[in-house]
Amino acid sequence: GAVVSQHPSWVICKSGTSVKIECRSLDFQATTMFWYRQFPKQSLMLMATSNEGSKATYEQGVEKDKFLINHASLTLSTLTVTSAHPEDSSFYICSARGQGRGRVTFGSGTRLTVV
Amino acid sequence: SQQGEEDPQALSIQEGENATMNCSYKTSINNLQWYRQNSGRGLVHLILIRSNEREKHSGRLRVTLDTSKKSSSLLITASRAADTASYFCATDNTGTASKLTFGTGTRLQVTL
Repeated sequence: GAVVSQHPSWVICKSGTSVKIECRSLDFQATTMFWYRQFPKQSLMLMATSNEGSKATYEQGVEKDKFLINHASLTLSTLTVTSAHPEDSSFYICSARGQGRGRVTFGSGTRLTVV
Repeated sequence: SQQGEEDPQALSIQEGENATMNCSYKTSINNLQWYRQNSGRGLVHLILIRSNEREKHSGRLRVTLDTSKKSSSLLITASRAADTASYFCATDNTGTASKLTFGTGTRLQVTL
């Protein structure tokens, strides 16, 4: 159990366009989801925490208008990178935690390349 | 959030040898977790050790935690080529085991 699906696994987009990444919990209800970004050969940096039905909480330095997070249901959270630029190219990973569950489960990540 | 430091940054060993990775962190914690990441992939949870535990085993993995030194180590015994990956420690100070602060990671290469 505890499977998190992230889609797409990779995406290439043009500068100025927006990209949506989905994170789904397949066999549990995710009350909380976390979004991380990871630059090559670096660690994961937490971007934001989203709770179902409420606004996301962003970490310091993360632009909430640039990285739109929606957690509209207990099984789906989305991250939209708006007006993407090459510096937004990165690996984005979500994790999800269910009600009464202990640790989180991570998605398989999305490689975003902005050209 | 302040990241922890891991050392070494990279480690290359031969199959059959043991691999030891160290993690230091800055704040008090509720638990510390170790994850594995294959190149360009998601994270796989390996082991969780709580702040009141000093040592934990899981298969070929042995984790220690020294809260007085704010450090942890991960030992992989009898390494295999398939253990080649990046290993990250992650700390949780919220008690939820979910909002994690990751260390800088150790890239392990196991050669035949």
